Amino acid sequence: AQKVTQAQTEISVVEKEDVTLDCVYETRDTTYYLFWYKQPPSGELVFLIRRNSFDEQNEISGRYSWNFQKSTSSFNFTITASQVVDSAVYFCALKTPSGAGSYQLTFGKGTKLSVIP
Amino acid sequence: DVKVTQSSRYLVKRTGEKVFLECVQDMDHENMFWYRQDPGLGLRLIYFSYDVKMKEKGDIPEGYSVSREKKERFSLILESASTNQTSMYLCASSLAEPNTGELFFGEGSRLTVL
Repeated sequence: AQKVTQAQTEISVVEKEDVTLDCVYETRDTTYYLFWYKQPPSGELVFLIRRNSFDEQNEISGRYSWNFQKSTSSFNFTITASQVVDSAVYFCALKTPSGAGSYQLTFGKGTKLSVIP
Repeated sequence: DVKVTQSSRYLVKRTGEKVFLECVQDMDHENMFWYRQDPGLGLRLIYFSYDVKMKEKGDIPEGYSVSREKKERFSLILESASTNQTSMYLCASSLAEPNTGELFFGEGSRLTVL
């Protein structure tokens, strides 16, 4: 069975602080994909990043960075110098390969980030 | 600009009413999904469809049905709405399996059942 745990339900930070959102996953598959999505107050989930299980390189995109560690089954997301526009609910998700007629994508319960001006 | 469009952002219905939630995507995606989002429970898959007229149950299909008569359109139907179906409903689409694929989401439909 697959599982994604986002232990932090809500986080509040003051603008310009750094913040890390944790994601721990469980799967028996050796091939899988990990995702982060952002859901701003408008409601639409927006794709941020995908990582496959064979690529443990960390990634940086502007103020965003992701740390993928298979040894600890974690895929953590760090926002540097947070801004009010970063306030949103962030979801981590795990996808394992599936054939036609099936679909294996598991979302975590989400972390609500509030950035206070 | 690629898009998933949900017909209604906000709906208020009465218990027992039949409710239709419509979703249209313009990306020629094979897969379409309906999720339900509730505080503390995250996103839960209700149904998905991998082709026209094909549908598969997700994690919480009870009380819902779906229709996919055209590739671009996926409808969620509540035959007899109940108060415990008050929720945010999210439609999404993706390429056919196998894919690495991210989902593309609509803005959501917030349904209140009185």
